Amino acid sequence: GAVVSQHPSRVICKSGTSVKIECRSLDFQATTMFWYRQFPKQSLMLMATSNEGSKATYEQGVEKDKFLINHASLTLSTLTVTSAHPEDSSFYICSARRSLAYEQYFGPGTRLTVT
Amino acid sequence: GQNIDQPTEMTATEGAIVQINCTYQTSGFNGLFWYQQHAGEAPTFLSYNVLDGLEEKGRFSSFLSRSKGYSYLLLKELQMKDSASYLCCSGGYQKVTFGIGTKLQVIP
Repeated sequence: GAVVSQHPSRVICKSGTSVKIECRSLDFQATTMFWYRQFPKQSLMLMATSNEGSKATYEQGVEKDKFLINHASLTLSTLTVTSAHPEDSSFYICSARRSLAYEQYFGPGTRLTVT
Repeated sequence: GQNIDQPTEMTATEGAIVQINCTYQTSGFNGLFWYQQHAGEAPTFLSYNVLDGLEEKGRFSSFLSRSKGYSYLLLKELQMKDSASYLCCSGGYQKVTFGIGTKLQVIP
């Protein structure tokens, strides 16, 4: 199989605080993990691509100092939303990909609400 | 750049067949993916086409024509649980681009 988990599934935080979201590949080694954001009725928007052991590559318009990504091992990547604001409220989804494979397997997503 | 077009909504009857079309214009094309996404959930992988032709997988089939920049997803014997958004996705090894998705409603 190819199972990807995300934690937490839902989080509510106050404006100005930081939130960490974990993405784990449970039964395979993920050399690459992707982080997406999806607003209601919109498509998935790629935020950044992370390869194990190296710095993440951020898409244009995504602030790397605000969205900190760490891919410290072949099974774990984390996204930290720093100094969250209400406009950061969204559905954050990670995906993971095996080495030399093209298909991505998605985690269940994290719904972030910033009050 | 990447540009993907697919219909925003479709309705089909339970037990019928539905075809969801997708056209794409991408640079560095390395394959065409289809994902299913139920409301409030993450996408699940359905199919991947890298060569021209039809790939069949149970009730779902996916077709690709690289020269035309065209793909379709064919769903047979529709079931109510197939009501979902279907995302056409094109890209390469390091990056993929998702379409906005086609919201399919299956009616009795």
